Amino acid sequence: GENVEQHPSTLSVQEGDSAVIKCTYSDSASNYFPWYKQELGKGPQLIIDIRSNVGEKKDQRIAVTLNKTAKHFSLHITETQPEDSAVYFCAASIGGFQKLVFGTGTRLLVSP
Amino acid sequence: DGGITQSPKYLFRKEGQNVTLSCEQNLNHDAMYWYRQDPGQGLRLIYYSQIVNDFQKGDIAEGYSVSREKKESFPLTVTSAQKNPTAFYLCASSIQRGSTEAFFGQGTRLTVV
Repeated sequence: GENVEQHPSTLSVQEGDSAVIKCTYSDSASNYFPWYKQELGKGPQLIIDIRSNVGEKKDQRIAVTLNKTAKHFSLHITETQPEDSAVYFCAASIGGFQKLVFGTGTRLLVSP
Repeated sequence: DGGITQSPKYLFRKEGQNVTLSCEQNLNHDAMYWYRQDPGQGLRLIYYSQIVNDFQKGDIAEGYSVSREKKESFPLTVTSAQKNPTAFYLCASSIQRGSTEAFFGQGTRLTVV
């Protein structure tokens, strides 16, 4: 079935470093790719999304890139801060209904 | 203050009992979703609804039931047929299904003892 793979499962960086999280998807018809940040005990919140008609999108310190040919997309966080520490999920719209299928999450830890 | 509200935040039930989780949204969204979150497994879709009085099974619907009698409400019942009900349950809504931002509630942590 359709799936989204996400790597790495955990990522530790020093404050100020960059962090990159990668996802691959299986459905070539996918056209919407959101990224969510989830803090402990809370629901996920959208931080950035990209549609298949663009290759890159930026919003201040975060950016997402999409390679449709290779069916992978990545989240880039620059100048990381301790408050960036959370679990990040990627997702891809799947199939005719276009439901969202989520990756398994990346726990990012930013050390001061 | 618009948003999506799940209640309660924590819920304890004895094995064999049905339990209903509440999800209400005042965003005027058509689509609503229920996800289950387990450690290391991301979010898995239980049920979704595109419009009132209509809903479809997601990837892990067995042991769950839903209703959509009102646009703003999408309650989830965890039945005794669900083999491993202990989990974190998340409700979400979106203007349209799939291809637009999904807003999540704060979740309900269900523990069955």
